[in-house]
Amino acid sequence: QKEVEQNSGPLSVPEGAIASLNCTYSDRVSQSFFWYRQYSGKSPELIMSIYSNGDKEDGRFTAQLNKASQYVSLLIRDSQPSDSATYLCAPSRGTGRRALTFGSGTRLQVQP
Amino acid sequence: SQTIHQWPATLVQPVGSPLSLECTVEGTSNPNLYWYRQAAGRGLQLLFYSVGIGQISSEVPQNLSASRPQDRQFILSSKKLLLSDSGFYLCAWSEETGGYTFGSGTRLTVV
Repeated sequence: QKEVEQNSGPLSVPEGAIASLNCTYSDRVSQSFFWYRQYSGKSPELIMSIYSNGDKEDGRFTAQLNKASQYVSLLIRDSQPSDSATYLCAPSRGTGRRALTFGSGTRLQVQP
Repeated sequence: SQTIHQWPATLVQPVGSPLSLECTVEGTSNPNLYWYRQAAGRGLQLLFYSVGIGQISSEVPQNLSASRPQDRQFILSSKKLLLSDSGFYLCAWSEETGGYTFGSGTRLTVV
């Protein structure tokens, strides 16, 4: 079993729709969770972080965390073509040495 | 504010040639630093991480090495490149929140 599982996609949604990106993780010690967006040919950039169960909203983005189910998701409302990218899920074990483990990412395509 | 610099942006090197990629961080002290590699269409592979000067941990045995000669400088090296070393190399540092900030990356093509 991979430490972090993400559907590789591509996930295709029409412009204006809600994109739902899912991630499961195996390490129950994970405390914090991060979502990164990576445009083709660019480095990953941090877009959301969530530390406790429930939802966290930031603009068009909502992160959802369920530690009991070891599941974290990212919702993108009113999807735009500029949201087309690969989204990486990264659980963290804390601020120690090798804190983050990255999933392979889900490629999102927003169709105009 | 903290920034991370990585260079060069692109590099084309022949097989068997040496490699040196440099990463520097500004605006923070004693950061945890990381080198990742991303092959085309693949996920991030952790290569090395460092918690301080001269302290390097290797995650994957290969013909690459890393050094940290100064607190905010992290260098990735190879004595002889292989074709399989081609990829997108990323330096990152970890923030107090636990998230990582990545440099802009170096795209290495070994020919």
